[in-house]
Amino acid sequence: QKEVEQNSGPLSVPEGAIASLNCTYSDRGSQSFFWYRQYSGKSPELIMSIYSNGDKEDGRFTAQLNKASQYVSLLIRDSQPSDSATYLCAVNANNFNKFYFGSGTKLNVKP
Amino acid sequence: DGGITQSPKYLFRKEGQNVTLSCEQNLNHDAMYWYRQDPGQGLRLIYYSQIVNDFQKGDIAEGYSVSREKKESFPLTVTSAQKNPTAFYLCASSIVGREQFFGPGTRLTVL
Repeated sequence: QKEVEQNSGPLSVPEGAIASLNCTYSDRGSQSFFWYRQYSGKSPELIMSIYSNGDKEDGRFTAQLNKASQYVSLLIRDSQPSDSATYLCAVNANNFNKFYFGSGTKLNVKP
Repeated sequence: DGGITQSPKYLFRKEGQNVTLSCEQNLNHDAMYWYRQDPGQGLRLIYYSQIVNDFQKGDIAEGYSVSREKKESFPLTVTSAQKNPTAFYLCASSIVGREQFFGPGTRLTVL
């Protein structure tokens, strides 16, 4: 079993819709969780960090964490074509030293 | 300007040759990381370092070596023992346990 699992997609949504990206993780002791956006051929850039159960909002982005279910999600409201990218979920392992990355979900926002 | 720099952007290696990828950061981060990304895949950890003169193997360390003589610098050597080195190499840094920030990456191709 992989440490972090994501649906590879592609996930296609129309412009203006809500995109919902999901991630599950296996280490119950994981402490912190991150979402990165990666455009083709570029390096990942941090979108959101979340450390406690519940929702965290930043502009059009909302991260949701449920530690009991070992599940973290990212919602993108009012999706734009510029949001088309691969979204990587990352989990900081219990020893605080190692990050585990999912293989990413490719999002296509259609004009 | 604070950030992480990687050089070169593109690198070509001949069979049996060692090559060194540079990574420098001026964010005053203690932790630094090297990842490898293959097309359509997630990130795999090669090596990481929490403090100067100390580093740990990641999940795919075979055929790679690193040094951490200065806080700002974490070079990666791809040795001839790495049989399939063609990939996108990403360096990252962080405060230990917190979000990682990535450099622009080095694309290595074996001729």
